[in-house]
Amino acid sequence: AQSVAQPEDQVNVAEGNPLTVKCTYSVSGNPYLFWYVQYPNRGLQFLLKYITGDNLVKGSYGFEAEFNKSQTSFHLKKPSALVSDSALYFCAVSSFGGSARQLTFGSGTQLTVLP
Amino acid sequence: EAGVVQSPRYKIIEKKQPVAFWCNPISGHNTLYWYRQNLGQGPELLIRYENEEAVDDSQLPKDRFSAERLKGVDSTLKIQPAELGDSAVYLCASSLDVRGPEQYFGPGTRLTVT
Repeated sequence: AQSVAQPEDQVNVAEGNPLTVKCTYSVSGNPYLFWYVQYPNRGLQFLLKYITGDNLVKGSYGFEAEFNKSQTSFHLKKPSALVSDSALYFCAVSSFGGSARQLTFGSGTQLTVLP
Repeated sequence: EAGVVQSPRYKIIEKKQPVAFWCNPISGHNTLYWYRQNLGQGPELLIRYENEEAVDDSQLPKDRFSAERLKGVDSTLKIQPAELGDSAVYLCASSLDVRGPEQYFGPGTRLTVT
């Protein structure tokens, strides 16, 4: 079975500071990893994905994530946070073996950027 | 390009009543998903369609939930009868096909069962 852990329910950061939202995963075979963002009363918006290749993935709105196979992590990062980045962030994993195409989400991390 | 469309956005019903949710995926997307998102949790897959075929419905509570995707485009998810524990946000998502791993989500339907 595949699973995702987001160890922090809440992350607070000051505007202009770098931010990191942590994610670790467990999956059989090669992972496909994703980050989504959810604003209040909205659906999930796709931010970025790792499929293969370069371990540093760049996505929308200046976000990036680093894939670390040895630590089974896929942390979301941004060099300079904006107040408008405040939202709920979900990490997700899928594998093309076993339960193919099934996307498993973490429980989410609420990011608050303080002005 | 229009995104995934869902209706209604909000629904309040009494327990034991039926309810239906509608989803129109992104044009050309063959794969459609229904998820349920409980408060404070990530979405959980209920059912996945590839074209008009339900290929993964292992998490769908079949005693009260049903879904259909006629003609491989729009989809409807139904609950009959609804229970208090069904209160959640029901999300629809679509992807280009089974090779396109990223899924695009609609705004969801927030269901409250009283």
